[in-house]
Amino acid sequence: TQTVSQSDAHVTVFEGDSVELRCNYSYGGSIYLSWYIQHHGRGLQFLLKYYSGNPVVQGVNGFEAEFSKSDSSFHLRKASVHWSDSAVYFCAAAATSSGQKLVFGQGTILKVYL
Amino acid sequence: GGIITQTPKFLIGQEGQKLTLKCQQNFNHDTMYWYRQDSGKGLRLIYYSITENDLQKGDLSEGYDASREKKSSFSLTVTSAQKNEMAVFLCASRPPGHTNTGQLYFGEGSKLTVL
Repeated sequence: TQTVSQSDAHVTVFEGDSVELRCNYSYGGSIYLSWYIQHHGRGLQFLLKYYSGNPVVQGVNGFEAEFSKSDSSFHLRKASVHWSDSAVYFCAAAATSSGQKLVFGQGTILKVYL
Repeated sequence: GGIITQTPKFLIGQEGQKLTLKCQQNFNHDTMYWYRQDSGKGLRLIYYSITENDLQKGDLSEGYDASREKKSSFSLTVTSAQKNEMAVFLCASRPPGHTNTGQLYFGEGSKLTVL
């Protein structure tokens, strides 16, 4: 069974700080990975995705993520956060063998203080 | 650009009642999804559909029915609402092509409360 784990339930930083949100998955084969952001009371918005090629992928609003096959990870990073980045972030994965079933992690609440 | 519209935005029902949530998309996407989101938990897949009249069960399909009579719409029915059940149901669709497997477009959600 494929699983996605986000080890930090809450992350708190100050505006202008860098941040890394962690995501690990358990599956040995080829995998699709993505990150989403959810502001309070809203649906999820797609940030970025990875399937193959350059392990560092760029997304919207200065976010990037790095795939590591050896660590089974796909951590999300931002060099300088803004207060408006405060939201819940979800990592998601789909194994190529599972067709179109995207499995989500439990989410990380990011709070950015001024 | 397209949009996914979920109706109703808020749904209050009674225990044992059958309740239906509707989702419309104008992206012309083939694949659509229904997820359930409980407070403090991630999203759990209830049903998905890869084309009109197709239905695929997710990990949480028990207690739910789904219907995809048109490409643009995907309905979810709670067959017997459970008392004190509260969750947000999220509809999503996906562009074609395997490289878009991880790229879903979501609606704003429908919040269910069962009294």
